[in-house]
Amino acid sequence: AQTVTQSQPEMSVQEAETVTLSCTYDTSESDYYLFWYKQPPSRQMILVIRQEAYKQQNATENRFSVNFQKAAKSFSLKISDSQLGDAAMYFCAYRSLSDSNYQLIWGAGTKLIIKP
Amino acid sequence: NAGVMQNPRHLVRRRGQEARLRCSPMKGHSHVYWYRQLPEEGLKFMVYLQKENIIDESGMPKERFSAEFPKEGPSILRIQQVVRGDSAAYFCASSPLDRVAPLHFGNGTRLTVT
Repeated sequence: AQTVTQSQPEMSVQEAETVTLSCTYDTSESDYYLFWYKQPPSRQMILVIRQEAYKQQNATENRFSVNFQKAAKSFSLKISDSQLGDAAMYFCAYRSLSDSNYQLIWGAGTKLIIKP
Repeated sequence: NAGVMQNPRHLVRRRGQEARLRCSPMKGHSHVYWYRQLPEEGLKFMVYLQKENIIDESGMPKERFSAEFPKEGPSILRIQQVVRGDSAAYFCASSPLDRVAPLHFGNGTRLTVT
């Protein structure tokens, strides 16, 4: 069974600086998707970025980028130029591409605090 | 295009009562997923439905919990005879026919059992 581990319960960063959130996962599959979701206090789960495992190029979305290391099963999220609005819980999630498995497997989350 | 709509946003029930949580997927989405989130934890899969069909309910307790996604109307997650341990945030997500498309989440329903 697949598992997702986020080893940092909480991270803090000064506004305008860069922070990296860690995520590791375990799977025997070769094709899958990885996601980072943001959950602000409003509780809505917002997709931040997605990475297809077959793509070697790291995904980027404006200030958000990932460092995807498939062999190491690592999928970290880098937030550049941190803003106050980035404060939230961040969840890493895995999704298989096999027909029989379509659930999102979630990490426990990392609380990101932005210091003004 | 409205997003995934869940209601109510907050629901308070006494032990033994029934809780009904509603989810209207995004327009054009035919797949609905229900997840439960306990405090300080990530989401846990409960059930996956398509219109009029339960595809996978392996994450849902076999007793007291049921889910449906009728041909017309929202998906309903029903919890009978609620207990304090059912207190959690319940999220609904939807996706189009392409299952590998990202899930779109609603704002969740926070159920509190007193």
